[in-house]
Amino acid sequence: GEDVEQSLFLSVREGDSSVINCTYTDSSSTYLYWYKQEPGAGLQLLTYIFSNMDMKQDQRLTVLLNKKDKHLSLRIADTQTGDSAIYFCAERVRDDKIIFGKGTRLHILP
Amino acid sequence: KAGVTQTPRYLIKTRGQQVTLSCSPISGHRSVSWYQQTPGQGLQFLFEYFSETQRNKGNFPGRFSGRQFSNSRSEMNVSTLELGDSALYLCASSFGTGWTGELFFGEGSRLTVL
Repeated sequence: GEDVEQSLFLSVREGDSSVINCTYTDSSSTYLYWYKQEPGAGLQLLTYIFSNMDMKQDQRLTVLLNKKDKHLSLRIADTQTGDSAIYFCAERVRDDKIIFGKGTRLHILP
Repeated sequence: KAGVTQTPRYLIKTRGQQVTLSCSPISGHRSVSWYQQTPGQGLQFLFEYFSETQRNKGNFPGRFSGRQFSNSRSEMNVSTLELGDSALYLCASSFGTGWTGELFFGEGSRLTVL
């Protein structure tokens, strides 16, 4: 089946690292994505990783993929107030369909 | 270049009515996907159109339908509205083939059903 699970809330102190986790069920996923949604806006792609990679780094963002456990994580280093948003994990499955998780709301504590 | 445009941004309907939402994709994009976003269910896939053909469909009742025109613009229609249809409807466009899968989202149409 096609299902993407992620925790709904995460609170992190400003300056700390945020780690958002996601699990997926479809082993045929070719790409996995992290999208960000700010209040009143649509989703915007943050980063993606191809399924044959296990890590990707892009400035403050680090994506880790454990294909055996079907686990994906997003680490945001030095979390800032502007990182406050909802983060969606997504996978690309057969027929190029893209399935999203329910989103993790990241709250930044001063 | 212009982003994905959705109209209307906000609308209020009553139960039993029908609604049509419109999406203009980024120029050159041939695929348009529709998603329903609610606080309880998150982002749920409705359907995807590519070159005027429905290529993928989610698990929604037949009251939800869509179409795509030759200029890649898309519309979705919900008939016999129910209270539970209140949601943010997001449209996303992409090249649709031979690409990394990045979707470009519009700001959404927020539907309230009374």
